[in-house]
Amino acid sequence: DTGVSQDPRHKITKRGQNVTFRCDPISEHNRLYWYRQTLGQGPEFLTYFQNEAQLEKSRLLSDRFSAERPKGSFSTLEIQRTEQGDSAMYLCASSSETGANYGYTFGSGTRLTVV
Amino acid sequence: AQSVTQLDSHVSVSEGTPVLLRCNYSSSYSPSLFWYVQHPNKGLQLLLKYTSAATLVKGINGFEAEFKKSETSFHLTKPSAHMSDAAEYFCVVSDPRQAGKSTFGDGTTLTVKP
Repeated sequence: DTGVSQDPRHKITKRGQNVTFRCDPISEHNRLYWYRQTLGQGPEFLTYFQNEAQLEKSRLLSDRFSAERPKGSFSTLEIQRTEQGDSAMYLCASSSETGANYGYTFGSGTRLTVV
Repeated sequence: AQSVTQLDSHVSVSEGTPVLLRCNYSSSYSPSLFWYVQHPNKGLQLLLKYTSAATLVKGINGFEAEFKKSETSFHLTKPSAHMSDAAEYFCVVSDPRQAGKSTFGDGTTLTVKP
């Protein structure tokens, strides 16, 4: 297993366009998390899945954001009608049990730039 | 509610001298606490974790942290800094009762001078 993979590493998009990011967690991990990190800030929680069920969403996750994990394996995060304020690093993490007890394994992130 | 404050946004030390990165937390329960490190253009890596066992926690690369409930602190230390320790460090608090959400501090940038 090569850890948590995220694709793409970088994405530049024009304002108003839709973008989709993919995360492949460690295969035996049933929990998957999305975080967003802006410059000079720590990562902020967006949402998390246990298997295919999305169990919690942050109020940061507006209606333009949607996340899925259809078969309990990889996950996608889609942002519709992107805005300049969406520019950030989007981080995916996974854990075998609750991350609150064991900590997360993070991917390298997808850096989104909205121009 | 939970929150975490990293008291220094930047810390600079000389190679071979001790490192101290300070973290205070706030929570209404017995939290789990973590330190992560982020090297440039790399993902976050777990350094160590406290989950209500021993209050002095040892992590990777010679780092340690001590949980002090009376001071609501979880400071990260290392006896002797190495050039490769230069990175961003994040203190994290989590509610063990809630599986999902962890709260990160804003980070401390550690610079190591030769």
